Amino acid sequence: AQRVTQPEKLLSVFKGAPVELKCNYSYSGSPELFWYVQYSRQRLQLLLRHISRESIKGFTADLNKGETSFHLKKPFAQEEDSAMYYCALHSRRGFKTIFGAGTRLFVKA
Amino acid sequence: GAGVSQSPSNKVTEKGKDVELRCDPISGHTALYWYRQRLGQGLEFLIYFQGNSAPDKSGLPSDRFSAERTGESVSTLTIQRTQQEDSAVYLCASSLDTSGANVLTFGAGSRLTVL
Repeated sequence: AQRVTQPEKLLSVFKGAPVELKCNYSYSGSPELFWYVQYSRQRLQLLLRHISRESIKGFTADLNKGETSFHLKKPFAQEEDSAMYYCALHSRRGFKTIFGAGTRLFVKA
Repeated sequence: GAGVSQSPSNKVTEKGKDVELRCDPISGHTALYWYRQRLGQGLEFLIYFQGNSAPDKSGLPSDRFSAERTGESVSTLTIQRTQQEDSAVYLCASSLDTSGANVLTFGAGSRLTVL
């Protein structure tokens, strides 16, 4: 069965500290993985996707098929990074996207 | 339109009443999704449309929930005989649904409160 697990509901770090939001998935086949972000009073929006291998707002995420993980990382957190982050998996077979429970990141001054 | 539009933005109803939630996706987006987000919880998949067809209805919580899409455009999520546990934000998203471009664009959501 497809599943996305984000083990941390809340992550609190100090400004300038490194941050890692964990995401593990269960999927047989080649997954398409994404990170979505929801800032306060804004819509849920795409942050980055694994196929692009891009860095957005200083965030990166590497797909590790051996560990079935897609952790989101940033070396130096900023206060404006405070938001709700969702890891998502798109199934090419069923053509649906499922989300993890989300991690709320709080960056303290 | 430029984005995904959902209406109403807020709906308060009494237990037992029926409600309809509407979603206008981005023009040309073939895929349309409905999710439910309960307070403090993640996104719960409800249903997915490819064109006007719904190949996956597995997430609909009960037979009180139904959805349709017409003209490969507007979708309506209907909840019959609402219960208090139906209270949540209902999110709609659309995408081009092509390989490598399955990026979802979300609406602002419809907040449903069942008294």
